[in-house]
Amino acid sequence: DGGITQSPKYLFRKEGQNVTLSCEQNLNHDAMYWYRQDPGQGLRLIYYSQIVNDFQKGDIAEGYSVSREKKESFPLTVTSAQKNPTAFYLCASSMERTASPLHFGNGTRLTVT
Amino acid sequence: DAKTTQPPSMDCAEGRAANLPCNHSTISGNEYVYWYRQIHSQGPQYIIHGLKNNETNEMASLIITEDRKSSTLILPHATLRDTAVYYCIVRGGGATNKLIFGTGTLLAVQP
Repeated sequence: DGGITQSPKYLFRKEGQNVTLSCEQNLNHDAMYWYRQDPGQGLRLIYYSQIVNDFQKGDIAEGYSVSREKKESFPLTVTSAQKNPTAFYLCASSMERTASPLHFGNGTRLTVT
Repeated sequence: DAKTTQPPSMDCAEGRAANLPCNHSTISGNEYVYWYRQIHSQGPQYIIHGLKNNETNEMASLIITEDRKSSTLILPHATLRDTAVYYCIVRGGGATNKLIFGTGTLLAVQP
């Protein structure tokens, strides 16, 4: 089945450590995205990539980094510079054409203590 | 991108139609209306989208007013599994695909 896989579902880290969240898609989509969701709130865009080896900052990119070396993969690193890293992280992908809807993975819940 | 306004919560009886309203009075001519839903601790699920005309698929119908300033998502026969937060989003058709999510409507389907 085609889809977006995020792993792991739950992740725990100590403050001051960098952590990388995985996102893989087999939908042959060109564009990929990372969103963050905090309790009771909507989603906020962290980074997006429309093509391999290129990516753009979203609305809340500070403290995060990404890479897009392969079409299928768009890992997100939460660095120690992110002040409030505990959140639910969602990866999405879409075809790169007008009005194409985003398809989301099931998320990774990161807890930093 | 235009912003949307949705009621924070709604109830619906199982088996009845659920009608979820959304106001988007500042929508531009090239902006689409999208609906997603999110069940707790899962990723948002795409439901439907439209530009001007009403749309229907296997999940729902989307009714857009003639002036495009509001829309209604209709789930024709709600089930308990339709209990979720429903997000109405407007977005231009350009390549950026920046979806801006609000806080949505929590639909509670009652047995």
